[in-house]
Amino acid sequence: EPEVTQTPSHQVTQMGQEVILRCVPISNHLYFYWYRQILGQKVEFLVSFYNNEISEKSEIFDDQFSVERPDGSNFTLKIRSTKLEDSAMYFCASGTQETQYFGPGTRLLVL
Amino acid sequence: GNSVTQMEGPVTLSEEAFLTINCTYTATGYPSLFWYVQYPGEGLQLLLKATKADDKGSNKGFEATYRKETTSFHLEKGSVQVSDSAVYFCALDTNQAGTALIFGKGTTLSVSS
Repeated sequence: EPEVTQTPSHQVTQMGQEVILRCVPISNHLYFYWYRQILGQKVEFLVSFYNNEISEKSEIFDDQFSVERPDGSNFTLKIRSTKLEDSAMYFCASGTQETQYFGPGTRLLVL
Repeated sequence: GNSVTQMEGPVTLSEEAFLTINCTYTATGYPSLFWYVQYPGEGLQLLLKATKADDKGSNKGFEATYRKETTSFHLEKGSVQVSDSAVYFCALDTNQAGTALIFGKGTTLSVSS
């Protein structure tokens, strides 16, 4: 059964550094998403992407964040200058119009 | 606005007990409703869904019925197992393609043998 994959599974970075989180969505899906989950808190939406452009973004998704689908298979989330409060589990999801399927997540720790 | 409210956890049960995790929602229009499960150290897995009123989603012995009159989507299982220990998230989708899922805060279930 096809599934969403994410790399790396864990990343530790210094405050102010750039990080890129990578996702390979399910191949026939057209909608792509990033969510995050700060430890012990609810899952929060960051951004959705369709037809090579952002379709919706939350207040969390400020100028420090960007997304890209560089080669038709990968879907990346870049954080330009990480802050301590960016420490969280980041989930990629891909989906049809009806359902979203999540990857296993990347745990990001900013020191 | 759209929102999901779940019962506070943790829920602690003995094996073979009956499980109910309450979920209510606020939404305009006709949302789809979902339960996702997060096992320790893992990501979110879709457990079940319902796309219209009176639909019942079911999977792995879990069930939830979309009740429009009470705006609820309570998760039930007749006999829980230790392996069901996880965090359960109720979520809604406003059915506008590409829009965000809105999650509840999650309910931790702990089942002991």
